[in-house]
Amino acid sequence: GNSVTQMEGPVTLSEEAFLTINCTYTATGYPSLFWYVQYPGEGLQLLLKATKADDKGSNKGFEATYRKETTSFHLEKGSVQVSDSAVYFCALSDQNDYKLSFGAGTTVTVRA
Amino acid sequence: NAGVTQTPKFRILKIGQSMTLQCTQDMNHNYMYWYRQDPGMGLKLIYYSVGAGITDKGEVPNGYNVSRSTTEDFPLRLELAAPSQTSVYFCASSSASGISTDTQYFGPGTRLTVL
Repeated sequence: GNSVTQMEGPVTLSEEAFLTINCTYTATGYPSLFWYVQYPGEGLQLLLKATKADDKGSNKGFEATYRKETTSFHLEKGSVQVSDSAVYFCALSDQNDYKLSFGAGTTVTVRA
Repeated sequence: NAGVTQTPKFRILKIGQSMTLQCTQDMNHNYMYWYRQDPGMGLKLIYYSVGAGITDKGEVPNGYNVSRSTTEDFPLRLELAAPSQTSVYFCASSSASGISTDTQYFGPGTRLTVL
């Protein structure tokens, strides 16, 4: 079956530091890949997505590239802010399905 | 647009009690989902629906029931609450296309504690 493995947290960074959260997946065929973010006290919201190999998703300074050869979708941001403190979830949906499989989530705390 | 709304935000139940978690969306989405989120774990799918009158089980359906009488509403019912159902519950919806690239839109969650 499908599965998503994320880098374990928590991750604590200083403002303007570089952030990377690793995500690898197991799926049949060509899944779509997503990063969702959950800010404190809120529900999840889509941060970015990529729907085919070598696609790069980007939003709010975050980027992730769909690497089929390494089955990875690592999230990066060059300079984090305190407002980026949140839980980040990597997720996938199989090409023949619309249901999501989520990773365990990575808690990121950015200190001023 | 309100998006996906959930009520209540918080609830404490005693073992054996029942309750219904409400979920409503105003985006005319056919697809709706219920997830639970346990500490340190990803979201697990409880039930989902592809349209009014159609529901199906997800990964962890035991102890829950759902119904979908309208496009907008997708309530989740706990009949005999157990401590193992202590969790945060999220409702989500996605567009009628039902394809793998769809974005899911989440409600703010209901934090349930069973004592």
